[in-house]
Amino acid sequence: NAGVTQTPKFRVLKTGQSMTLLCAQDMNHEYMYWYRQDPGMGLRLIHYSVGEGTTAKGEVPDGYNVSRLKKQNFLLGLESAAPSQTSVYFCATGADDYGYTFGSGTRLTVV
Amino acid sequence: LAKTTQPISMDSYEGQEVNITCSHNNIATNDYITWYQQFPSQGPRFIIQGYKTKVTNEVASLFIPADRKSSTLSLPRVSLSDTAVYYCLVGGFLEAGNMLTFGGGTRLMVKP
Repeated sequence: NAGVTQTPKFRVLKTGQSMTLLCAQDMNHEYMYWYRQDPGMGLRLIHYSVGEGTTAKGEVPDGYNVSRLKKQNFLLGLESAAPSQTSVYFCATGADDYGYTFGSGTRLTVV
Repeated sequence: LAKTTQPISMDSYEGQEVNITCSHNNIATNDYITWYQQFPSQGPRFIIQGYKTKVTNEVASLFIPADRKSSTLSLPRVSLSDTAVYYCLVGGFLEAGNMLTFGGGTRLMVKP
């Protein structure tokens, strides 16, 4: 089925470790987004991309980096994880007529 | 980006109609209004989108008054499975750099 796939689904990191979250889409959408959602809160935009090779900062970009080398993939990197980055991370893609499609999320715990 | 204000929570009973109102006083001319539904441990799911007047699909209706400073999501005959958080978002769609800003949403609890 067409959609947005996030890997991994769960991860536990130690403070200072690094990791990369992968978002893959097969809908040929131009726009891709990374959000984080803390318990009981709404989603906050970390970084986004309006096309292959482009990235831009969202509301809460500090401590994260992103890359969009291929249109279908959007990577979110944490270079040195901190407990404050414990959250659920959602990737979304966007197109004009159908709203935004979200992945199922990555639950990250930093200890 | 237009800021939105929604009730934090609402309770309803199965079979009732639920109306959730969202205020967006500084909505821009090119902004659309979009509603999403989120179940626990899942990503938000698109419900409905509109620009003005009324939009209806198989899931919900969206009512937008002429001044567009508010909108109302209407869920007919809710069931237990409609218990979720509902987000109202306002923003443009095609422009480069467009992004969605989520508020806290409305937590709907449907009781038997």
